[in-house]
Amino acid sequence: GNSVTQMEGPVTLSEEAFLTINCTYTATGYPSLFWYVQYPGEGLQLLLKATKADDKGSNKGFEATYRKETTSFHLEKGSVQVSDSAVYFCALSEISGGSNYKLTFGKGTLLTVNP
Amino acid sequence: GAGVSQSPSNKVTEKGKDVELRCDPISGHTALYWYRQSLGQGLEFLIYFQGNSAPDKSGLPSDRFSAERTGGSVSTLTIQRTQQEDSAVYLCASSLEGGGTEAFFGQGTRLTVV
Repeated sequence: GNSVTQMEGPVTLSEEAFLTINCTYTATGYPSLFWYVQYPGEGLQLLLKATKADDKGSNKGFEATYRKETTSFHLEKGSVQVSDSAVYFCALSEISGGSNYKLTFGKGTLLTVNP
Repeated sequence: GAGVSQSPSNKVTEKGKDVELRCDPISGHTALYWYRQSLGQGLEFLIYFQGNSAPDKSGLPSDRFSAERTGGSVSTLTIQRTQQEDSAVYLCASSLEGGGTEAFFGQGTRLTVV
């Protein structure tokens, strides 16, 4: 079945540091890929997405590129801020039986950014 | 409504009791998902609905767990004879039709079994 493996946390960085959170996936076809973020005390929300190979999703200074050859969708940000402290989830969506889709998540990576 | 609504937001129940958790998805969203989030465990998939049917129930942990969706809208997750290991935050999400569309999450129901 489909699966998502993302970098184990927690990750602790200083403000303005470069961030990479690795994500790789296993899927039988051509999934759509997502990064969701959960800020402290809030619900999950979509950060960015890419629906086909070589697409780059971007939002709030974060970027991730859909790499089919390496089955990866690594999240990057050039200069993190304290307000980026959150749990980040990589996810994929692929057909699971007929025309139905299933959203599969990684385990999440806790990011803490210190001033 | 404007977003995915879950109720109750918090539920404390005694071991062995049954509980019902409710999810009101965004109007018009045909896909609905239930997940469980335990401390340090990430997001555990429970069940997925497309309309009123559940093509994927593979994540339900045991036969004590069941879910239904009526009218292509509201969904109820029922846990019978609750156990302490059922304590978690239960999250519901909906999306227009799955695939590359965004899933919108509710705030969750925090279930504590004492």
